[in-house]
Amino acid sequence: SAVISQKPSRDICQRGTSLTIQCQVDSQVTMMFWYRQQPGQSLTLIATANQGSEATYESGFVIDKFPISRPNLTFSTLTVSNLSPEDSSIYLCSGGKGMNTEAFFGQGTRLTVV
Amino acid sequence: AQRVTQPEKLLSVFKGAPVELKCNYSYSGSPELFWYVQYSRQRLQLLLRHISRESIKGFTADLNKGETSFHLKKPFAQEEDSAMYYCALRDTGFQKLVFGTGTRLLVSP
Repeated sequence: SAVISQKPSRDICQRGTSLTIQCQVDSQVTMMFWYRQQPGQSLTLIATANQGSEATYESGFVIDKFPISRPNLTFSTLTVSNLSPEDSSIYLCSGGKGMNTEAFFGQGTRLTVV
Repeated sequence: AQRVTQPEKLLSVFKGAPVELKCNYSYSGSPELFWYVQYSRQRLQLLLRHISRESIKGFTADLNKGETSFHLKKPFAQEEDSAMYYCALRDTGFQKLVFGTGTRLLVSP
C-alpha cells in the first residue's frame, strides 16, 4: 500500500476564486484519481490523472473547471476553478499501484464556497 | 451503466447485535466488489474485497451474482464498528471505482 498526503484539509473560498488541492504519495503509483463527494451524496469520479499527459475526465466534468496536473508518479494537483457555492464538497485523491490492486485514499479536502 | 445501491443511510444497532449492511449493484461485466470504511476523522480505507473471501474485523461479505448483492455482515457488532461504510464496484482490470451512497452504522452500548 501507500500513504497519500492531501492538502489543504479544508478551506473556505470566495466565489469566483480557485482552489488548488495537492496530493503527495509516499511511493510511486501507477494510477491517481480525483473524486468529489457532495453533501449527502456518494463519491463521484472526476478524472483520472495521467502522468505526463492530459487527465481523462468523466462525463459531466471538464478540464476548464477542474484542471489537473500530474508531473510525476507521486504527485498530482486538482484545481477547482471559478468557484460557486455548488462546488462546496469534499474532494479526495486516490492512488493505485496497478490493475486489480487496492485503491487507497487521501484524507480529503473539505471546500466551502461563500 | 454501473451502479451501486445502498438502501440504508443509517443503521443503528446495539452492541452484540448482528449487523447486515446491504449493497446491490448493477453491472453487466465481471465486477470486483469492495467495502470501504471511514471511521470518524480518518480517511477512507479498504475493509474487504470479494475476491479475498476473508473476514476482516469480524466482517464478511459474499458476492451473490444471482441477486447482484454484496451485503456486509457481522454476527456481533462492537461500538468501535461505528463508522461510514461504502460499497464499491470496479470493473475487472481497471482501477476506477463506483461507490454507493454509504451507510452510517451506529453501534450503541
